[in-house]
Amino acid sequence: EIVLTQSPGTLSLSPGERATLSCRASQSVSSRYLAWYQQKPGQAPRLLIYGAFSRATGIPDRFSGSGSETDFTLTISRLEPEDFAVYYCQQYGSSPPFTFGPGTKVDIK
Amino acid sequence: EVQLVESGGGLVQPGGSLRLSCAASGFTFSSYSMNWVRQAPGKGLEWVSYISSSSSTIYYADSVKGRFTISRDNAKSSLYLQMNSLTDEDTAVYSCAKAVGGTRLDYWGQGTLVTVSS
Repeated sequence: EIVLTQSPGTLSLSPGERATLSCRASQSVSSRYLAWYQQKPGQAPRLLIYGAFSRATGIPDRFSGSGSETDFTLTISRLEPEDFAVYYCQQYGSSPPFTFGPGTKVDIK
Repeated sequence: EVQLVESGGGLVQPGGSLRLSCAASGFTFSSYSMNWVRQAPGKGLEWVSYISSSSSTIYYADSVKGRFTISRDNAKSSLYLQMNSLTDEDTAVYSCAKAVGGTRLDYWGQGTLVTVSS
């Protein structure tokens, strides 16, 4: 089973700042199968990035994904007020389990 | 507009059973694989189960294997999760999610709360 570790656990930033979130896998993940989700309190998760780099429909270009094999990054170039949320990475390769990371909370400093 | 609406949650005693449903609309349900994902109160996301569009391929997380059964009725655009031998560790909000391009989850329901307690 591939275990995903996210860091930091909490990121305290101000609007307008750059956020860099890390997702590390216990073994190599095909970049085709790495996704990032955003979840706000009381809401369902929203797909942000898939295939490590591709933005989902309607996602602003301030969100970008990068990385390969065991190290992946979600970058939010300039935080907007609506971006303060919890972010999860997920690997959804050819075989289960399709594990999620524990999440990174981005909160307002 | 894609909509996924879960139902069937509630309070159940340890060892009991519950059947969750997910009503889908706004897309061709029979063309897409579906998943159940759960989130314990204050915790992160946990993938639970996957079913392919034709029900030919089914997967479960180890934590529910042998106790939960996923199924679907394409004629009714509905997804189900039969949960047996429930324990307090199964307490969570259960959400159905549509999959595309592998198992990335592009649409999610709001979820239904399952509470296992005596």
